[in-house]
Amino acid sequence: GEDVEQSLFLSVREGDSSVINCTYTDSSSTYLYWYKQEPGAGLQLLTYIFSNMDMKQDQRLTVLLNKKDKHLSLRIADTQTGDSAIYFCAELTGNQFYFGTGTSLTVIP
Amino acid sequence: GAGVSQSPSNKVTEKGKDVELRCDPISGHTALYWYRQSLGQGLEFLIYFQGNSAPDKSGLPSDRFSAERTGGSVSTLTIQRTQQEDSAVYLCASSPTSGVTDTQYFGPGTRLTVL
Repeated sequence: GEDVEQSLFLSVREGDSSVINCTYTDSSSTYLYWYKQEPGAGLQLLTYIFSNMDMKQDQRLTVLLNKKDKHLSLRIADTQTGDSAIYFCAELTGNQFYFGTGTSLTVIP
Repeated sequence: GAGVSQSPSNKVTEKGKDVELRCDPISGHTALYWYRQSLGQGLEFLIYFQGNSAPDKSGLPSDRFSAERTGGSVSTLTIQRTQQEDSAVYLCASSPTSGVTDTQYFGPGTRLTVL
């Protein structure tokens, strides 16, 4: 399968910006996604970006895509304690989704 | 309204036994997806259904895994002759269509432990 990699842990102070990074290997990805998993809850789709876009902004969330380097990032502005969760990036290649291992974000009050 | 439900929430079985995992998607959702999340690994896509058909079964890890969907609704994932490496959380998701920008609504998962 394809490799989608993320760092496992990130800690930030409340009010700061968080940047969660993801790298992938398949240049034929069509869409890239960010999901959030809160403790005890299912996955929630946060946002997605089409592979021919460089950036997408949605309220406090900014997604940056560097297709040349196969690098995707999610920036959360003004991070709140409620943002503490595991964040998964995923790519869609053909009919299959490939997910990263998830980044556990801890927001320190 | 009701979300995606899965049963059982936890399943402990002995190596070599067969297990069936069930997913009830959101009513009216035509697309249904199965994923597996193993400890320390990312989500692994297994299979998806559009209606009752599964266009691509290549994500299933081995021929011990099979899935079916009937009536465009409930789906079951069957694992035959379970092995310890099958231990994982099995997640089901549904979406209104199989459009790639459709939000997938995930169920809470079934935690499978193979002893």
